[in-house]
Amino acid sequence: QVQLVESGGGLVKPGGSLRLSCAASGFTFSDYYMTWIRQAPGKGLEFVSLITHSEGNVRYADSVKGRFTMSRDNTKYSVYLQMNSLRAVDTGVYFCARGRDRHLPPRGFDYWGQGNLVTVFS
Amino acid sequence: DIQMTQSPSSVSASEGDRVTITCRASQNINNWLAWYQQKPGKAPKLLIYAASSLQSGVPSRFSGSGSGTEFTLTISSLQPDDFATYYCQQSHSFPITFGQGTRLEIK
Repeated sequence: QVQLVESGGGLVKPGGSLRLSCAASGFTFSDYYMTWIRQAPGKGLEFVSLITHSEGNVRYADSVKGRFTMSRDNTKYSVYLQMNSLRAVDTGVYFCARGRDRHLPPRGFDYWGQGNLVTVFS
Repeated sequence: DIQMTQSPSSVSASEGDRVTITCRASQNINNWLAWYQQKPGKAPKLLIYAASSLQSGVPSRFSGSGSGTEFTLTISSLQPDDFATYYCQQSHSFPITFGQGTRLEIK
C-alpha cells in the first residue's frame, strides 16, 4: 500500500538549518507530483512547495522562497526539503503529500505522511 | 494569491444532521477545488477532488458541488466519526491556498 514516511524534524535555533526527508513506497514514485504542506500549532494548513513528477520543477510559497529548497530523487523514492535561515514563524508540523493525478498537476493530495515537527526557538 | 474563505468557521450539529460548509474563492478557479477532513494530531484526509468527485474509500454521505468561485461540502447524515475540522483547497493557481478551516463539533 502507499506509504509516506517523513524524517528529519527537530529543534533548531533561528537562522539554523534542517533537512526533511519523505520516503515513499507502494506506488511508482516518478509518476506523481509531490508537495510539502505545513501547519503551525493550532493553525490551518499552509502550502510550502510542490515538485513536478519527472523534470523536478518546483514552486514555492513566497514565505519560504529563497530559504527553502525542495528536491526529489526518483531512484530513491524520496523527496526532500532543505530549510535554511529558519525563523520562529516556520515552526509547525510539516507534511509531505502525493498529488492524486498520475503525470498531471494535482487536483488534490491523496496520501500524506504522518507529519514531522519542526520547532524554531532560541 | 487566491483567497479561500470558508463559512462557517465552526458549526455545532448532532448525529444524523445534514451539514453544509461553503468555500468561496476570490477569483474563478473552475473546478480546481479539493476538500479535506482533519482530526487532531492526524494528517488531512482527501474527501473530494475536482470540486465534486468523491475520493476512493470515502463514504457516499460526503458530497461536493460548485464551480467558479462558490463551492459546498455537504455531509448528508452526520456520523460520530465526522466530527473534525474541514478545509477547502484550490490548486488552480500558485500558490496553492487553503481555507481557514471549519470546525464541526458535537451539539
